[in-house]
Amino acid sequence: ETGVTQSPTHLIKTRGQQVTLRCSSQSGHNTVSWYQQALGQGPQFIFQYYREEENGRGNFPPRFSGLQFPNYSSELNVNALELDDSALYLCASSLVTSTEQYFGPGTRLTVT
Amino acid sequence: AQKVTQAQTEISVVEKEDVTLDCVYETRDTTYYLFWYKQPPSGELVFLIRRNSFDEQNEISGRYSWNFQKSTSSFNFTITASQVVDSAVYFCALSVNFGNEKLTFGTGTRLTIIP
Repeated sequence: ETGVTQSPTHLIKTRGQQVTLRCSSQSGHNTVSWYQQALGQGPQFIFQYYREEENGRGNFPPRFSGLQFPNYSSELNVNALELDDSALYLCASSLVTSTEQYFGPGTRLTVT
Repeated sequence: AQKVTQAQTEISVVEKEDVTLDCVYETRDTTYYLFWYKQPPSGELVFLIRRNSFDEQNEISGRYSWNFQKSTSSFNFTITASQVVDSAVYFCALSVNFGNEKLTFGTGTRLTIIP
């Protein structure tokens, strides 16, 4: 196990609703990245947070937003959910000085 | 832009056979990092290896070995004497930022080891 935890494990939401996913980093890691993995696809980079600020963003609309807290835990918020948002959302923690990311087990989001 | 291609969607081999997973990457950066991750049914991505673009030395770790060839932009992964526990989806990934700002993943290869 990597020490990265995510909650909840599974979530079902209705189109148009809002959702918040949570991630606790591995102890000592100061950087958190979020990825979206659609069924049968590789993970797609959403954004990364370092020192509580966004430190890079992938090709995702503004309705995907995030937060990082002083203890390095993080939240991913998605507004106005669409059916295509159904996916496994993975959180990864790392040190800003390292190239290795350690992933959590993910949150499976289903939008109906 | 970066791109990672894993042309093999699914592979099935009988236990104890050797199997090679292919990965081809594209980047214009001269400094980059290549990774392999394993994703078992539980969903968690397990880090296997990282290689730097300036280090083409092949690596062996137990039954796993990796062949990095810049001339063909490939970073292939071989499992020797496969075991049922090796069954998973394997992803190749690329990063061009030292701070690991973004990992670009391939679409993965689903490996099934038949007992």
